[in-house]
Amino acid sequence: QQQVKQSPQSLIVQKGGISIINCAYENTAFDYFPWYQQFPGKGPALLIAIRPDVSEKKEGRFTISFNKSAKQFSLHIMDSQPGDSATYFCAASFGGYQKVTFGIGTKLQVIP
Amino acid sequence: NAGVTQTPKFRILKIGQSMTLQCTQDMNHNYMYWYRQDPGMGLKLIYYSVGAGITDKGEVPNGYNVSRSTTEDFPLRLELAAPSQTSVYFCASSYRTVPLNTEAFFGQGTRLTVV
Repeated sequence: QQQVKQSPQSLIVQKGGISIINCAYENTAFDYFPWYQQFPGKGPALLIAIRPDVSEKKEGRFTISFNKSAKQFSLHIMDSQPGDSATYFCAASFGGYQKVTFGIGTKLQVIP
Repeated sequence: NAGVTQTPKFRILKIGQSMTLQCTQDMNHNYMYWYRQDPGMGLKLIYYSVGAGITDKGEVPNGYNVSRSTTEDFPLRLELAAPSQTSVYFCASSYRTVPLNTEAFFGQGTRLTVV
C-alpha cells in the first residue's frame, strides 16, 4: 500500500521554467511533510519541509504548497536551473522521523 | 564532522555469500536507519534503531539483520545474498528533539550487486 503517491516520475523543464512535483497522502495522522533532494551518487538531503498548520512555505526558489482538505502537497521550483537536476522525494511522517514514508521519487532534468 | 559514513561504496557478491555493510555517524544521533533504494520504488526502510541496544524492523527486513552496540555504529548484515538484494543501500541518522525532529542525514550509499 503506497501511503504517499508522487507524480510525475520524471520531468524535463527548460532553464528558467517552473518545475512542479505533486504528492498525495492517505493517512490523516501525518503531521510533517519534508522534501528530500538527491543528486546522482549521493544520499538524499533535506530540502524543505512543512507542517499541516500552514498552507505554504517558501525558501528561496523552492515553495511547498499544502492542501490539507485534499490531502495533497506539491513542490514548486521557480526559475529552474540545470543545477536543480536531481531526484526529488516527497515524504510524510508522524511521531518523528522513524515513521517517515517516502514517495517513489521524481527525476528532474533542467535543460539549458 | 564527517556526518554519516558508509563502507564499502560498491560491492559485488555471489549468491549465497554474506557481507556486512558498515555505517558510522559522528553527530551523536540516537536514531539510525537502513534504507534500500530501487528504481521507481523510492526508499524502503529495512531496519532502524532508536538507541544503542534497541533495533526494530522496518518495511522490508527479510534477509537482513542489524545490531547497535554503540551510538555511532549501525552495521547491516546480509547472511545469504540473493539477486533480489541487488540495490543501493543508504544509512541515515537523526536526532530526537522536541518538537519531534524529522530530518535525517544520509550517507553516500553502498551499491550492491548480487550475481
